[in-house]
Amino acid sequence: AQKITQTQPGMFVQEKEAVTLDCTYDTSDPSYGLFWYKQPSSGEMIFLIYQGSYDQQNATEGRYSLNFQKARKSANLVISASQLGDSAMYFCAMRGLNSGNTPLVFGKGTRLSVIA
Amino acid sequence: GAVVSQHPSRVICKSGTSVKIECRSLDFQATTMFWYRQFPKKSLMLMATSNEGSKATYEQGVEKDKFLINHASLTLSTLTVTSAHPEDSSFYICSAREVRNSGNTIYFGEGSWLTVV
Repeated sequence: AQKITQTQPGMFVQEKEAVTLDCTYDTSDPSYGLFWYKQPSSGEMIFLIYQGSYDQQNATEGRYSLNFQKARKSANLVISASQLGDSAMYFCAMRGLNSGNTPLVFGKGTRLSVIA
Repeated sequence: GAVVSQHPSRVICKSGTSVKIECRSLDFQATTMFWYRQFPKKSLMLMATSNEGSKATYEQGVEKDKFLINHASLTLSTLTVTSAHPEDSSFYICSAREVRNSGNTIYFGEGSWLTVV
């Protein structure tokens, strides 16, 4: 079984500042993938970044970076230079990679509010 | 990039009627699609795994006779909410994994807001 824990229901950040959204996970799968999605009020799920469990380097995508600490089972999302448009719900998710049919398991999400 | 299209984006139906939601992978084949339900201010809850050419696998507590899933082709899965009731009102969203992809990217549809009156 897999479990994702996001302990921050809500976060505030000043525009142009960096913010870290926490995510810890638990799994018995030897190979797994970690994902972050952004969900604005419209409801769509926007893929942000992916980290494979065997990737040696932390993933980065533009202003998004994933701070992957395998021993601690954490996969925190760092957003640099926050923008007003970053205000949304953010979900951490994971799936095992040993089977093609495993779905994503989601955390409860963190609502990020960027303040001007 | 790969795109998953979901239709309709919003639907209002009368209690007792059925509603069909379509999930299409536009430029890739998806042998597996997933259907999620999301209540307000909550996370996504997996309802079922839709497998092309075979029966869907439902999560515990999800009524298979109420939420009919059909995955008739490699690019289309449908979710039919039968005899809808107001408590079925929710946000439904599908996702798909590209067949040739190792699993690094899961694409989501735009979601469907269902309101049963």
